[in-house]
Amino acid sequence: DAGITQSPRHKVTETGTPVTLRCHQTENHRYMYWYRQDPGHGLRLIHYSYGVKDTDKGEVSDGYSVSRSKTEDFLLTLESATSSQTSVYFCAIGGSSYEQYFGPGTRLTVT
Amino acid sequence: RKEVEQDPGPFNVPEGATVAFNCTYSNSASQSFFWYRQDCRKEPKLLMSVYSSGNEDGRFTAQLNRASQYISLLIRDSKLSDSATYLCVVNMGGQNFVFGPGTRLSVLP
Repeated sequence: DAGITQSPRHKVTETGTPVTLRCHQTENHRYMYWYRQDPGHGLRLIHYSYGVKDTDKGEVSDGYSVSRSKTEDFLLTLESATSSQTSVYFCAIGGSSYEQYFGPGTRLTVT
Repeated sequence: RKEVEQDPGPFNVPEGATVAFNCTYSNSASQSFFWYRQDCRKEPKLLMSVYSSGNEDGRFTAQLNRASQYISLLIRDSKLSDSATYLCVVNMGGQNFVFGPGTRLSVLP
């Protein structure tokens, strides 16, 4: 399995609070991605990174920000969590072949 | 029309059966295609990339039909362990990966 971890694995938080999810890789892959998965939808891209301090928006980026200060770490921040952001969040890593490898996911509940 | 569509299933098949899934995509300029499997409450795992000439990996065969804009996955001699949701993924250019909603497969003893 690809060396990719996510923390925390589960989190319950209240509406309006900031939340940060962490993705860590040991594979030295250039690309890192944050997706969310909701019932009835395929995985949807939130943000991705193509290098240290290089990030770009995905399909559902509103309400989210990211940072990548080191190759191995990619952080996703919900600036002010809302109930619509209750979801399962997956981090993925990838290289030049476009194949992606996913972390175990974080289940986030916003009450 | 959604960018990537899949029959949601579920497909319920007996062990040993052959089952096929199709996935259609809307962007004719798409270049890269993949099948992932996802077990319940787990992360997606890459099953295989799909090449223009078609490719096979053991009991799994993937094919691409660019003219009709679909990819397919064929599973032969189904095992209980093949029970999962199969996700079709299409790269629409750059880092724009579009995931289908998945097709659920249950292999029955």
